[in-house]
Amino acid sequence: GQQVMQIPQYQHVQEGEDFTTYCNSSTTLSNIQWYKQRPGGHPVFLIQLVKSGEVKKQKRLTFQFGEAKKNSSLHITATQTTDVGTYFCAGIKAAGNKLTFGGGTRVLVKP
Amino acid sequence: KAGVTQTPRYLIKTRGQQVTLSCSPISGHRSVSWYQQTPGQGLQFLFEYFSETQRNKGNFPGRFSGRQFSNSRSEMNVSTLELGDSALYLCASSFESSGAPQYFGPGTRLTVL
Repeated sequence: GQQVMQIPQYQHVQEGEDFTTYCNSSTTLSNIQWYKQRPGGHPVFLIQLVKSGEVKKQKRLTFQFGEAKKNSSLHITATQTTDVGTYFCAGIKAAGNKLTFGGGTRVLVKP
Repeated sequence: KAGVTQTPRYLIKTRGQQVTLSCSPISGHRSVSWYQQTPGQGLQFLFEYFSETQRNKGNFPGRFSGRQFSNSRSEMNVSTLELGDSALYLCASSFESSGAPQYFGPGTRLTVL
């Protein structure tokens, strides 16, 4: 079945630094979504990418969908303590309609 | 619009019991999906309901079942509870399908003793 892998599992970041988390699928995706879950909270939808090579920005967050539509990345610049949480990617395989979530990257920020 | 609501927020049950969880989607959303979240397995898709019909199903045993009512509210039932069923159960709604952006509720934390 379809697998979505995220690396790293954990990311310790110094406040003010940049970091990137990666999402890789075993199959071609029709779209990919990113979610953020704060500690003790529930996943919150951030963004959806549909086109090959698509890049979208939300303030300090930059999301990219790979050319082959099998991978994606989330880059955060100038990390803040408000960025703490777990970031999940979720993909739908081509011709599918069911989301498969990656295992998440848990981000801890050192002030 | 009000967000997705789930009741109860916390539950403690013992092995062998059954449990029913409830979810009210965002007004106008017809698709309701259920997920199980555990530290070891992450977010696992249980099933999706659309217009009172189960449209997608994950890889969970038949002890896990659900239904959707005409007002789009959904319930999930777990029978013969096992210790491994302890988890956060999340309901998510979307306008059309489980492939569209999901709007999650706060979850029901189930503990099986």
